[in-house]
Amino acid sequence: DQQVKQNSPSLSVQEGRISILNCDYTNSMFDYFLWYKKYPAEGPTFLISISSIKDKNEDGRFTVFLNKSAKHLSLHIVPSQPGDSAVYFCAGALTGGGNKLTFGTGTQLKVEL
Amino acid sequence: DAGVTQSPTHLIKTRGQQVTLRCSPKSGHDTVSWYQQALGQGPQFIFQYYEEEERQRGNFPDRFSGHQFPNYSSELNVNALLLGDSALYLCASSLGQFRNEQFFGPGTRLTVL
Repeated sequence: DQQVKQNSPSLSVQEGRISILNCDYTNSMFDYFLWYKKYPAEGPTFLISISSIKDKNEDGRFTVFLNKSAKHLSLHIVPSQPGDSAVYFCAGALTGGGNKLTFGTGTQLKVEL
Repeated sequence: DAGVTQSPTHLIKTRGQQVTLRCSPKSGHDTVSWYQQALGQGPQFIFQYYEEEERQRGNFPDRFSGHQFPNYSSELNVNALLLGDSALYLCASSLGQFRNEQFFGPGTRLTVL
């Protein structure tokens, strides 16, 4: 049972344009969501998070939007840069629920010059 | 500031053998979690250690066990290895057992032949 789904395995965007990565979840108990970025041969790096009491959280070029009724979140990267090329994982969690994160399968983002 | 370190980087074992993977958390962190990332999948939570005790466990059989030492470092042990145990094993650390945001190490690539 895939509780967190990232239906797009890959995404290609031109440098300077917006990248939109999508994530859906089925577990309505999740109330905290995180995005991680992973480069080859490195561990995932925390990018941005959002609590279910918010519908938007922004950090520099990165913005995460949460639509609880649709059980959907998205990560916007504006403007996209070649260094953003990586695999992006969405994860769901329970606030105060400890370290257990439930990850999606990831989206490979490629930012082209 | 030392991040999360894991050893070894790569490991090759045969079916039925036992393996031990090691992790040192980020400086100042006291909680360690382990994840298994199979090819093409997102990381899957195995278990979490805090105050030298297993606090949470994912859907993994008893063949997977762990330990946390007084200096907060941790080991993951897998007995009776199966071909399906071939994966990247990631260690993550945080300050406190209830933090969702975690810092990940680069992982140990285990191949079971």
